[in-house]
Amino acid sequence: EVQVVESGGGLVQPGRSLRLSCTASGFTFGDYAMSWFRQAPGKGLEWVGRIRSKAYGGTTGYAASVKGRFTISRDDSESIAYLQMNSLTTEDTAVYYCARDQAGWYYFDSWGQGTLVTVSS
Amino acid sequence: DIVMTQSPDSLAVSLGERATINCTSSQSVLYTSNNRNYLAWYQQKPGQPPKLLFYWASTRESGVPDRFSGSGSGTDFTLTISSLQAEDVAVYYCQQYYSTPLTFGGGTKVEIK
Repeated sequence: EVQVVESGGGLVQPGRSLRLSCTASGFTFGDYAMSWFRQAPGKGLEWVGRIRSKAYGGTTGYAASVKGRFTISRDDSESIAYLQMNSLTTEDTAVYYCARDQAGWYYFDSWGQGTLVTVSS
Repeated sequence: DIVMTQSPDSLAVSLGERATINCTSSQSVLYTSNNRNYLAWYQQKPGQPPKLLFYWASTRESGVPDRFSGSGSGTDFTLTISSLQAEDVAVYYCQQYYSTPLTFGGGTKVEIK
């Protein structure tokens, strides 16, 4: 069974950093691009960024709202994708999801349950 | 960025009746070289992550009931539930993947009348 599980969320003060993890199972993680999304309380979905598979250079791309502050990386040996978040602001408060890119086309067939990040003093 | 606009914001439909959700993109998401529309639909139930329903605008994901259908091309798309069931209560989102940043519509909340 394909599964992705996010972890690492919690309460953090503005200006601080946090690293989220996305642990995958049930598929060959290294063959897939992965993306991160977020959903502020009561709001819609926002794409945060993605990392391609190593076969496609492992390149990353980000939304303008997080570019320069957030970094996505991956450890294929452990089947984990990471989201490093720096210089957090209250506007980053959201549930963060990771999702598998089904076929490299940027639509997503497997999502984790999400992890809540609350940025507050 | 491509702006995705959904309508209505919410709708209440009787059990067994049809529900129709519209999604409009600010520019065409049809890639003419392969004649594919880079548009997906998701269902999100309360407290759950999104679930993929359709990709390429009308290709049903495995396991999605056939009362759901996706249609449209270019800038105008529709998600139809032909006979609403209680388990279809959810928020539905369209998403374009024609270009990054990937963008979503604001969502349409479907409830039982």
